[in-house]
Amino acid sequence: EAQVTQNPRYLITVTGKKLTVTCSQNMNHEYMSWYRQDPGLGLRQIYYSMNVEVTDKGDVPEGYKVSRKEKRNFPLILESPSPNQTSLYFCASRWANGYTFGSGTRLTVV
Amino acid sequence: QQPVQSPQAVILREGEDAVINCSSSKALYSVHWYRQKHGEAPVFLMILLKGGEQKGHEKISASFNEKKQQSSLYLTASQLSYSGTYFCGTERTDSNYQLIWGAGTKLIIKP
Repeated sequence: EAQVTQNPRYLITVTGKKLTVTCSQNMNHEYMSWYRQDPGLGLRQIYYSMNVEVTDKGDVPEGYKVSRKEKRNFPLILESPSPNQTSLYFCASRWANGYTFGSGTRLTVV
Repeated sequence: QQPVQSPQAVILREGEDAVINCSSSKALYSVHWYRQKHGEAPVFLMILLKGGEQKGHEKISASFNEKKQQSSLYLTASQLSYSGTYFCGTERTDSNYQLIWGAGTKLIIKP
């Protein structure tokens, strides 16, 4: 089954403790992206990747890092999480005409 | 610049019709439409390409007015399963697959 897999689904962490949210797609898509979703603000792009070893900032990259060492994986790294990074996060990959989203990660930073 | 979606919310009775609009101030290459149910991921509905035809998906269709840089999503004879938040994503010609998302339109269908 074609899918984008994100883990974990839920995460509660403390301020400053490094964390990684994993994202993997099995569709051989070149383009992948990370979004955060906050009430009333829609989807805001954090980082995206056009291909292996090619990443670029989106609209809200501060406090986040990504890497793309292989086509299928695109992890999101929070080196020092802060409470304003509490949000719902989605990974997505793009096929010819649309995006396939992962099931989301609800992150709470206390 | 974020496209403007209207209305922000709409409440319908089952079987009624609805129109959701998405407007941009920039010249667009395509407009995407997605539906998101509470707590779930957005799901692709359709894409409208510049110069393309009106699209349809079951009783949901959409149009793209290139002159106005506006797209409209039409939901006909709405079903309970249509409830959710609808997002448009706009893509410019020079955007490298980047989508700019609207804030969403919440659709509530009542029996």
